[in-house]
Parts: sequence; structure tokens; C-alpha cells
Amino acid sequence: DVKVTQSSRYLVKRTGEKVFLECVQDMDHENMFWYRQDPGLGLRLIYFSYDVKMKEKGDIPEGYSVSREKKERFSLILESASTNQTSMYLCASSSRGSFEGYTFGSGTRLTVV
Amino acid sequence: KNEVEQSPQNLTAQEGEFITINCSYSVGISALHWLQQHPGGGIVSLFMLSSGKKKHGRLIATINIQEKHSSLHITASHPRDSAVYICAVRSNYGGATNKLIFGTGTLLAVQP
Repeated sequence: DVKVTQSSRYLVKRTGEKVFLECVQDMDHENMFWYRQDPGLGLRLIYFSYDVKMKEKGDIPEGYSVSREKKERFSLILESASTNQTSMYLCASSSRGSFEGYTFGSGTRLTVV
Repeated sequence: KNEVEQSPQNLTAQEGEFITINCSYSVGISALHWLQQHPGGGIVSLFMLSSGKKKHGRLIATINIQEKHSSLHITASHPRDSAVYICAVRSNYGGATNKLIFGTGTLLAVQP
């Protein structure tokens, strides 16, 4: 079964900490995405990557950075966590140009205290 | 105004009822997705549509490209169908990636 795996289901971090959220896919997908999901706002795109070492800002990149050193792994980094970054974070991947195969991970619920 | 609007935002149904969730969008699209998210769970892709109609068990999805509208129907609803249903469209402004624009979701509760 194809998978997008997020390393943590729940995380609690302190304000100011550097936080790494990891995402791994086993489908050889070119595109990978990081979203955050908040009540009433739906899913919003933070960053995406269409190839190794390539990244582009999404709609809400402030306070975040990303890393894609290998095709299968896409990391989201909170440089200095703040309470307004408490949210559900979802990773997704898709193959380039395909109409199928948009696959989500199970999500990481991050609480910043 | 959001580019993707869903209605209703909340829906409560009795087991066995026929359910319809609507999605309207204002951008040109190459595809539309219906997604399901159970409480506390990840997101599962139910359908991807670019035209016409698709059926998967008790779920049916339709799209009218001219009217920029899609519907998700659930026949013979069951409490396990209780979830958030999210409509997402893939804008056709081009590029190598296929970013999605999401609606805010419809929270469905099916009571036994």
C-alpha cells in the first residue's frame, strides 16, 4: 500500500524551540507539499517542492522553512516555534502532471506552549 | 470570497438517509478532488474528477465544468460515514506542480 508517512502523530514543543516535522513517501513522487489545517480556515499551503533541492513558498510561508535533500523526504522546519503555530500539519505528495495519486499523510498535531 | 465554497458547513443526518454535499468554485480547474477526514485522522482521497461522474460503493461524485459545481452523494448513510468532507480543486494556471485550493469542509454526523 502506498504511503505518505509523517514521523510524529502528536508533538508538544516550547515557544522558541526549533521544530522539525518529517515526511517520507514511498511512491517516487516528484511533488511534495506541507499544509496546515486550522478550524474555519481549512487547509493552507505552507511550502511545496517539485524536485530534490527545489522549493517554493505557498500561501503562508512566514515562520517556516523546508528541506528536500532526497526525493522521498520533505522536512518542515519551524525556526523558532510560536503559539500561533499550534496546528495540524499535513504532508502530501503527487506525481508530476498526473491527475491521480494525490496522497496525504496522517498529520502531525503540534502544540506550542 | 473563497475560491472554493462548500455547503452545507455542517450536516446531521439519520442513518439510511441520502446525503448531498455541494462544492462551487470560481477558478478554472483541471481536476477536482473529494477528500474525507475522520475525527483526529489523516485525509483520504475519495475521488478525483475532471468530468462527468464517478461511483465508489455508496459514494457518488459528479461535476459540471460549465457550471463550476460538484456534488458528493452518499447513499444509505451510516454512522461510519461521519467525517469532514473536503472539496479541493486543482487550478489550471499551469506549471509543473499541481497545487490544490481547498474548501473549508463539511462536517457530517450520521446518527444511528
